[in-house]
Amino acid sequence: DQQVKQNSPSLSVQEGRISILNCDYTNSMFDYFLWYKKYPAEGPTFLISISSIKDKNEDGRFTVFLNKSAKHLSLHIVPSQPGDSAVYFCAAPNYGQNFVFGPGTRLSVLP
Amino acid sequence: DAGVTQSPTHLIKTRGQQVTLRCSPISGHKSVSWYQQVLGQGPQFIFQYYEKEERGRGNFPDRFSARQFPNYSSELNVNALLLGDSALYLCASSLSTTSGQETQYFGPGTRLLVL
Repeated sequence: DQQVKQNSPSLSVQEGRISILNCDYTNSMFDYFLWYKKYPAEGPTFLISISSIKDKNEDGRFTVFLNKSAKHLSLHIVPSQPGDSAVYFCAAPNYGQNFVFGPGTRLSVLP
Repeated sequence: DAGVTQSPTHLIKTRGQQVTLRCSPISGHKSVSWYQQVLGQGPQFIFQYYEKEERGRGNFPDRFSARQFPNYSSELNVNALLLGDSALYLCASSLSTTSGQETQYFGPGTRLLVL
């Protein structure tokens, strides 16, 4: 039973354009969401988070949008850069004990 | 400040052997969590420890065990290794488990290969 879903295994975007990564969740008790970026041979790096009391959080080129009624969040990267090429994971704390992760989306930013 | 550190970085074992993985959290962080990541999947939760006590356990067999030391570092032990235990083992630290809106910070992982 996947509580966090990322239905696009991969995404290719041209440098300078917008990247949109999507995430859906099933557990309505989730009230905090995080995005992590992972390069090969490295651990996941925290990117940005959003609390359920907000519908948008912005940090530089990265913006996360939350639609609670649809149980959907998205990560926007503008403008996309080749260094953004990585696997992106959506995650949510489960009762404050552990994180539930989606399967990840591999983003390729083409120069 | 140093981030989360893990050792060793890589490990090769044979079936039936035992392995111990080590993790040092970010200074000031009292909670350590362990995750297993296999190729093509997101990290799967194994254990969480806070103040040397187990606070959560994922759906892993009893062959997996862990502990946390007074300095908040942690060890993950896996006995009777199976081929399917081959994975990247990630350690994450956070300040505490109280808020429910914590950010966990990950180490680089230990890549375990079981032959």
